[in-house]
Amino acid sequence: DVKVTQSSRYLVKRTGEKVFLECVQDMDHENMFWYRQDPGLGLRLIYFSYDVKMKEKGDIPEGYSVSREKKERFSLILESASTNQTSMYLCASRGGDQPPHFGDGTRLSIL
Amino acid sequence: GQSLEQPSEVTAVEGAIVQINCTYQTSGFYGLSWYQQHDGGAPTFLSYNALDGLEETGRFSSFLSRSDSYGYLLLQELQMKDSASYFCAVYNAGNMLTFGGGTRLMVKP
Repeated sequence: DVKVTQSSRYLVKRTGEKVFLECVQDMDHENMFWYRQDPGLGLRLIYFSYDVKMKEKGDIPEGYSVSREKKERFSLILESASTNQTSMYLCASRGGDQPPHFGDGTRLSIL
Repeated sequence: GQSLEQPSEVTAVEGAIVQINCTYQTSGFYGLSWYQQHDGGAPTFLSYNALDGLEETGRFSSFLSRSDSYGYLLLQELQMKDSASYFCAVYNAGNMLTFGGGTRLMVKP
């Protein structure tokens, strides 16, 4: 079974802090994704990566960056956290033509 | 850009049939997926349609019409545990998966 693990279920940070959200998958998948989920807006794609050190902007990349130094790990970085980045963050991985598998999410609050 | 439209909320009774519609606008369309998400949980994959027609998996079926840019998820013999949010999502060029805003299904006894 595919396992996508996000490092934290809940996280509270302060405005201006640099925040790291970590995601690890154990299925050697090429593609990994970061989404944020807000009520009524569904899941919106922030960034995705199709290989190590490769990244592509999604629909809402502003205020975020990503890092993929190893195939199994995809990190989302909030360079200077702001209150409008309070949200649920979901990581997903996908191999070949299979549907993506999601982690359990990180509920991030920026105070 | 891409956009997907689905109803925000649907209510039905146990044992009934419910249909959740999804219309989309996207470039380089590859296929339509449906995901289920219970409160506090991760989205889980339900179905994928790349070609026109109906795909059936147990109590759930999914339909796609590429010419109409339209699909639906059909849930039969509704159970209380089916109360959840349902998202349609399109695969497009560039391997991106874009989601709709989600439909909250409430199943009542």
